[in-house]
Amino acid sequence: GNSVTQMEGPVTLSEEAFLTINCTYTATGYPSLFWYVQYPGEGLQLLLKATKADDKGSNKGFEATYRKETTSFHLEKGSVQVSDSAVYFCALSSNAGGTSYGKLTFGQGTILTVHP
Amino acid sequence: SAVISQKPSRDICQRGTSLTIQCQVDSQVTMMFWYRQQPGQSLTLIATANQGSEATYESGFVIDKFPISRPNLTFSTLTVSNMSPEDSSIYLCSVEEGPAYEQYFGPGTRLTVT
Repeated sequence: GNSVTQMEGPVTLSEEAFLTINCTYTATGYPSLFWYVQYPGEGLQLLLKATKADDKGSNKGFEATYRKETTSFHLEKGSVQVSDSAVYFCALSSNAGGTSYGKLTFGQGTILTVHP
Repeated sequence: SAVISQKPSRDICQRGTSLTIQCQVDSQVTMMFWYRQQPGQSLTLIATANQGSEATYESGFVIDKFPISRPNLTFSTLTVSNMSPEDSSIYLCSVEEGPAYEQYFGPGTRLTVT
């Protein structure tokens, strides 16, 4: 079955530091890949997505590249802010089961704390 | 993307009782999903709700415990029945939009069972 593995957390950084959160996946077929963000006390927001190999998703200064050869989708940001403190989830969606819709599989989440 | 609201936003319930959570979408959607997020954990899919048909439950979740209704293309409810403290979680609904099967989530319902 499908699975997503994220780097162990939590991650603590100073403001303006470089961020990398690793994500690798196992899936049949050609899944779409996502990063979701959950700010304290809120629901999940879609941060970025990529639908095929070598696609780069980007939003709010965050980037991730769909690497099929390494089955990875690492999240990066060049300069984090205090307001980026949240939980980040890597996820994939696949209809490899023959359904007409995608089923999301989530990683375990990575807590990011950014200090001033 | 669709705008999704949930009611209630939070509740504290006694064990043995039931709570119905509502999910409202501002546009018509085919597929709606219900997830559970236990404290400090990732999201687990409970069931998929397609309008006009019975919900499809994931392994470990049963209709008697989590009955779902989907009366039209903009609304769904999830009931958590005969609650125990282990049901304390955040319950989220989502809808699927777009060619990449991306899902958009409601703000969640934070349930505490005492």
